[in-house]
Amino acid sequence: DGGITQSPKYLFRKEGQNVTLSCEQNLNHDAMYWYRQDPGQGLRLIYYSQIVNDFQKGDIAEGYSVSREKKESFPLTVTSAQKNPTAFYLCASSMGSSNYGYTFGSGTRLTVV
Amino acid sequence: AQSVTQLGSHVSVSEGALVLLRCNYSSSVPPYLFWYVQYPNQGLQLLLKYTTGATLVKGINGFEAEFKKSETSFHLTKPSAHMSDAAEYFCAVTLPNSGYSTLTFGKGTMLLVSP
Repeated sequence: DGGITQSPKYLFRKEGQNVTLSCEQNLNHDAMYWYRQDPGQGLRLIYYSQIVNDFQKGDIAEGYSVSREKKESFPLTVTSAQKNPTAFYLCASSMGSSNYGYTFGSGTRLTVV
Repeated sequence: AQSVTQLGSHVSVSEGALVLLRCNYSSSVPPYLFWYVQYPNQGLQLLLKYTTGATLVKGINGFEAEFKKSETSFHLTKPSAHMSDAAEYFCAVTLPNSGYSTLTFGKGTMLLVSP
């Protein structure tokens, strides 16, 4: 079955460490997205990529980095510069533009300890 | 730029009662609109979407929504709530055919269903 796989489901990080969240899709979608979800704040866009080797900053990109070396993969790195990284992170993809809506992964819950 | 406002962070209904979740949008052009549902610790699942054509859109699990341009609204309804409908619901908007436009989400409404 086609879909988006995020791993790990739960992740714990010590302050000052970088951590990478994985997102893989086998839907042959061109576009991929990373959102951050905090209680009562909805989903906020971190980064998105419409094609391989190209990506754009979203509304809250500071302290995060991404790469898009393959169509299927869009990993997100949470760096030590992110002041408050504890959150639920959602990866999504779409066929082309957002006109079609997104398919979401099941999320990664990151906790800084 | 587009935006979405969901009225009410929490809505409580009894099982069997009407469900009404409100969504108003702001957009410079006629938008595309979406409703998603999220169960605890899971991703979002598409319920329904409005692009063009019929303004009353039917989705999965008995939900429907009506696009009202004059009221800039896209409220989600279901005639009879089930316990399994308890979840968080998100309204989202995008500008059609605008290249690099992304989905903009509302802050969400938690639906609580009591027996």
